[in-house]
This record gives sequence, structure tokens and C-alpha cells, in this order.
Amino acid sequence: EIVLTQSPATLSLSPGERATLSCRASQSVSSYLAWYQQKPGQAPRLLIYDASNRATGIPARFSGSGSGTDFTLTISSLEPEDFAVYYCQQRSKWLEFTFGGGTKVEIK
Amino acid sequence: EVQLVESGGGLVQPGGSLRLSCATSGFTFDNFAMSWVRQAPGKGLEWVSGISGTGRDMYYADSVKGRFTISRDNSKNTVYLQMHSLRAEDTAVYFCVKPEPYGSGSYYEGFWGQGTRVTVSS
Repeated sequence: EIVLTQSPATLSLSPGERATLSCRASQSVSSYLAWYQQKPGQAPRLLIYDASNRATGIPARFSGSGSGTDFTLTISSLEPEDFAVYYCQQRSKWLEFTFGGGTKVEIK
Repeated sequence: EVQLVESGGGLVQPGGSLRLSCATSGFTFDNFAMSWVRQAPGKGLEWVSGISGTGRDMYYADSVKGRFTISRDNSKNTVYLQMHSLRAEDTAVYFCVKPEPYGSGSYYEGFWGQGTRVTVSS
């Protein structure tokens, strides 16, 4: 099983600041990695797919990078609605996938 | 418009059984694999099980293998999760999830239901 490790667990930042979230895979997942945003009481929402492509309707302040085992989600300038939990997901095998433990981006 | 509506959650005693259903609409159901993902209270997301569009291929997380069974009825556009021998650690919100094609042949979880809550407790 491919294990995804996200860091940090919590990121305390102010609106307007830049957020950098990390996801490391226990083995290569090529570029089959996605990022999701989840707010309290809601289902997750896909932000980034194939490591660096924004899903439809996702603002340009969200960007993803990386390949192989190391990936990064960057939020260039935090908006109030961006404070949430973010999960990475590897999709290297059809119908079997795993999520990272999540990074909570909270207001400082 | 794609809709995924889960039902069947509730309170069950340890060792008990429960069947979750996910009624879908807005897409050609048998063209898509479907999955169940769960989230324990205050915890992260955990993939539980997936099933191919034909229903022939099924996959399970090690944590539920041998206890849970995924199935689908393509005539009813519904996917099920039969859960047996339930444990306290199965307590979670269970999401029904539909993959969407993105990029060059990749699939990711583009549509999620609202979730149904399962509580395993005596």
C-alpha cells in the first residue's frame, strides 16, 4: 500500500499570506496525485489533479507541483474561504487509492 | 446534474450489520466505477471499497476485507455497501464517490455524496 505523508499537520497563517503544503509518497506515484479541500460538515472538493492541473472552477491562486514521491500544494495568497483541511490522494492504481492524513490551514 | 444520495446509516451494536445504499442520477451509471470513502469523527479520509462499472471487479481496503461487500444494481443506478462484523473503529461518515475523467485518461473523485453516518456502539 502506498502511504502518503502530509506536512505540516497544521499551518497557522493570516489572510493574504502564502501557504505551502507538502505531500510525500512512500513510493513513486508518477503524477497521479490530487489535492482536495474539505470544510467542516462538507464533502471534499477536488482542487488539483495529475499533480499540477486545476480542476474546473478552481481559482488560479491554487497551484500544484511535483512528481514521483514529492508534491506541493501552494495557495499564493490566502482568502478567508481557503481556511480548511487539505488532503492529497494518490490514484496510481485503478479503484484503489489512498489519502494523506491532511493539513489544516487555520487562521493565525 | 450528477446526484449521489446515500442512505442506510445509523446506530448499530458491535458485531452487527448494516447496508448502505447510494442512489445516483444524472449520468450513465454503468459506465462508471464507484467507490466508498469514509471519515471517522475528527479524522482524515479513508478509501474503503471500489467496484467497476459492470460490477465484476471489486476492491477493498485491508481494514474491511472479509467483512464488507460492495455491489451495484445497474438497473436501479444504485451502489451498495454491505457491512458485517462491525467494530467501533468502523464508526464514520461514509461517502459515496463517483470518479470523473480528467486529463489524459486519469480519473479522480469529482463527485461526492453528502455522506451517511454509521455509529458502532453498545
